[in-house]
Amino acid sequence: KAGVTQTPRYLIKTRGQQVTLSCSPISGHRSVSWYQQTPGQGLQFLFEYFSETQRNKGNFPGRFSGRQFSNSRSEMNVSTLELGDSALYLCASSRLPLLTEAFFGQGTRLTVV
Amino acid sequence: EDKVVQSPLSLVVHEGDTVTLNCSYEVTNFRSLLWYKQEKKAPTFLFMLTSSGIEKKSGRLSSILDKKELFSILNITATQTGDSAVYLCAPQGGSEKLVFGKGTKLTVNP
Repeated sequence: KAGVTQTPRYLIKTRGQQVTLSCSPISGHRSVSWYQQTPGQGLQFLFEYFSETQRNKGNFPGRFSGRQFSNSRSEMNVSTLELGDSALYLCASSRLPLLTEAFFGQGTRLTVV
Repeated sequence: EDKVVQSPLSLVVHEGDTVTLNCSYEVTNFRSLLWYKQEKKAPTFLFMLTSSGIEKKSGRLSSILDKKELFSILNITATQTGDSAVYLCAPQGGSEKLVFGKGTKLTVNP
């Protein structure tokens, strides 16, 4: 059974640009959550999608957005990149939003220069 | 506001030692608590706990939850160098999101 797949694995962008990251969940999983991980802040929740609906959003500015498609694949977009957006972006998939195990992808390492 | 505190923040032991990692939490409408091991990139799922007092076990790792005192512990017996990692706990409340602690960095020396 394939795990959670995130693409791309690495990305270098310039300040002011925008970026789109992709996450394909485990087959049969309909819930996808996104997290930002930085050395100082640890894992911070960005948003959660279930059945194409955003059910939850963390405390991030509106430059961070996401969506989920009918096949449960999800994308997140960051516009007007800032240096502070450099981080490891992780997505996790689970069958349901609650009370089910969540599995992480390998992450996308974003560097903003 | 949901809160998770893991202790110790870091721990250095020798192979063969037993370690206990702690996680205390405050989340609204608690549903479950998950433990993860993170070595390089992706946190690897270890356990999901929902009921107090029921130990979950996987090889040398075990974990238990106390919903009355709002904490969980993760035990690792006969540690090996391959256990070196950051261990993360993440309670999940009614908001559905996993709230992660800062983690405990475990180093196992040969």
